[in-house]
Amino acid sequence: GENVEQHPSTLSVQEGDSAVIKCTYSDSASNYFPWYKQELGKRPQLIIDIRSNVGEKKDQRIAVTLNKTAKHFSLHITETQPEDSAVYFCAASMGIRNNDMRFGAGTRLTVKP
Amino acid sequence: NAGVTQTPKFQVLKTGQSMTLQCAQDMNHEYMSWYRQDPGMGLRLIHYSVGAGITDQGEVPNGYNVSRSTTEDFPLRLLSAAPSQTSVYFCASRSRGETQYFGPGTRLLVL
Repeated sequence: GENVEQHPSTLSVQEGDSAVIKCTYSDSASNYFPWYKQELGKRPQLIIDIRSNVGEKKDQRIAVTLNKTAKHFSLHITETQPEDSAVYFCAASMGIRNNDMRFGAGTRLTVKP
Repeated sequence: NAGVTQTPKFQVLKTGQSMTLQCAQDMNHEYMSWYRQDPGMGLRLIHYSVGAGITDQGEVPNGYNVSRSTTEDFPLRLLSAAPSQTSVYFCASRSRGETQYFGPGTRLLVL
């Protein structure tokens, strides 16, 4: 089955700096790559996703890039704010008809004011 | 529209006891999943369903059973609880689109 690795496990940045979280996946058949944000004691919530036919996607301060050849994808957060502090998870699946989604172990992001 | 709901929010069990974690969604979603979340290990898929009457195993299915008799409900059963099943359990659902919506979670402690 699919294996997703995520780095780093913890990341601390100053407010206003950028943060980058990286993930690799093993199954070349995976074609859907979401990112979730989980605040303490709450449920994971989707913040951005990308499909394998797209190399980059942006949504305000958040962007995701995908390199299918190397089988890795990254989350970029610019102009970080204290409210960005949370645990971020990447995931991979084989799309609409496949409900087998595998998650990375998570990155705890701390944004220092 | 309540989205995805889970009950109970918190449960303490003794080793060997059985229980059912309830999950329901009112969005008419075909796809539903159960995950467990342990520190440092992210979310691991236990079982999933692609429609009423259809279920399949995920990454860590041992010790858990599921059924999907209706579109709305997807209960997770622990037949004989073990301390290794202490975890936070999340149910999730989605339509044919890929965005998964998670429930609020059930925190389970097995003594």
